[in-house]
Amino acid sequence: AQSVTQLGSHVSVSEGALVLLRCNYSSSVPPYLFWYVQYPNQGLQLLLKYTSAATLVKGINGFEAEFKKSETSFHLTKPSAHMSDAAEYFCAVSKTGGFKTIFGAGTRLFVKA
Amino acid sequence: GAGVSQTPSNKVTEKGKYVELRCDPISGHTALYWYRQSLGQGPEFLIYFQGTGAADDSGLPNDRFFAVRPEGSVSTLKIQRTERGDSAVYLCASSLGGGGAEETQYFGPGTRLLVL
Repeated sequence: AQSVTQLGSHVSVSEGALVLLRCNYSSSVPPYLFWYVQYPNQGLQLLLKYTSAATLVKGINGFEAEFKKSETSFHLTKPSAHMSDAAEYFCAVSKTGGFKTIFGAGTRLFVKA
Repeated sequence: GAGVSQTPSNKVTEKGKYVELRCDPISGHTALYWYRQSLGQGPEFLIYFQGTGAADDSGLPNDRFFAVRPEGSVSTLKIQRTERGDSAVYLCASSLGGGGAEETQYFGPGTRLLVL
């Protein structure tokens, strides 16, 4: 079975500071990994995804994530936080040949001025 | 172009009643997914359609939940004998189809269901 653990339900950073949102996954087969963002009163939007190509994946809005198989991690980073990054972020996993996507519980990012 | 739309945006019903939630996917997308998102949680997979058929319904919690997609486009999620525990946001997503789980899913804004 696959699962996702997001460490920290809330993360607060200052504007301009590094953003680091942690995600660890469990999968018995090579996974596909995703980060989604959910802004208030909006639908989920894909930030980036890993599908077994490059381990460092670049997404929209300056976000990137690195797939580390040895650590079973797929942490999301952004060098400099902006006020508009305040939202809820979800890490998700699925598997080759499958259709089901398993989401983590989410991390709410607060950005302080 | 138009994104995924869901109606109604909010639904309030009484315990024991029947409800239908509708999803209009992006035109041309053959894959369609339903998820349920409870407060403070991530989306929970319910069912996946490829075309008209339900390819994976393993996430439906019990037989009170049923979904259809008769013409391979619009889908309806049906909940019978609603319970207070069914209160959640029901999300629909669509993707091009044929590429499996690696495809990008496009989500609708959700239907917020409240069972009193």
